[in-house]
Amino acid sequence: AQTVTQSQPEMSVQEAETVTLSCTYDTSESDYYLFWYKQPPSRQMILVIRQEAYKQQNATENRFSVNFQKAAKSFSLKISDSQLGDAAMYFCAYRSAIAGNMLTFGGGTRLMVKP
Amino acid sequence: EPEVTQTPSHQVTQMGQEVILRCVPISNHLYFYWYRQILGQKVEFLVSFYNNEISEKSEIFDDQFSVERPDGSNFTLKIRSTKLEDSAMYFCASSPGGLTEAFFGQGTRLTVV
Repeated sequence: AQTVTQSQPEMSVQEAETVTLSCTYDTSESDYYLFWYKQPPSRQMILVIRQEAYKQQNATENRFSVNFQKAAKSFSLKISDSQLGDAAMYFCAYRSAIAGNMLTFGGGTRLMVKP
Repeated sequence: EPEVTQTPSHQVTQMGQEVILRCVPISNHLYFYWYRQILGQKVEFLVSFYNNEISEKSEIFDDQFSVERPDGSNFTLKIRSTKLEDSAMYFCASSPGGLTEAFFGQGTRLTVV
């Protein structure tokens, strides 16, 4: 079974600065997808970014980018120019590309943004 | 922008009672999911549903749980006899395909007393 680990329960960043959230995962599969979801206080899970394991190029979405290290099974999220609205819980998630379509989530990192 | 809608936002029920949590997935999506998040814990997969049947379920999804798509728009999760440990936030999600990202609803907070 796959596992996803987020080793930072809480992180703090100054507004306009850059922060990196860590995620590692364990799998024996070679083909899979990785996601970062944001959960603001409203509780809705919002997709931030997605990475296909077969792609070497790191995904980017505006101020959000990932550092995907397949050999190390690491998938960190970098948030540039942090904004107050970025404050939320961030969840890393894994999904197999070959066996089922369920998401396996990490424990989450609470990001606080200081003005 | 289309979104997944869940009702109610908060449900309080007595232990042993049946509850039905409702979801309206995005209209052209084919895969539907339920996840739950016990307070302070990970989001956990419960069940996925495709082509009017369960395609996957976790060990959490025991005989007390059932899912149904009673019409062309709703997707429901029923808990037959609630227990205190069923208290959690329940998230519905849908996706257009099996390998595409899931879009989540805002969740239903279930409190069993």
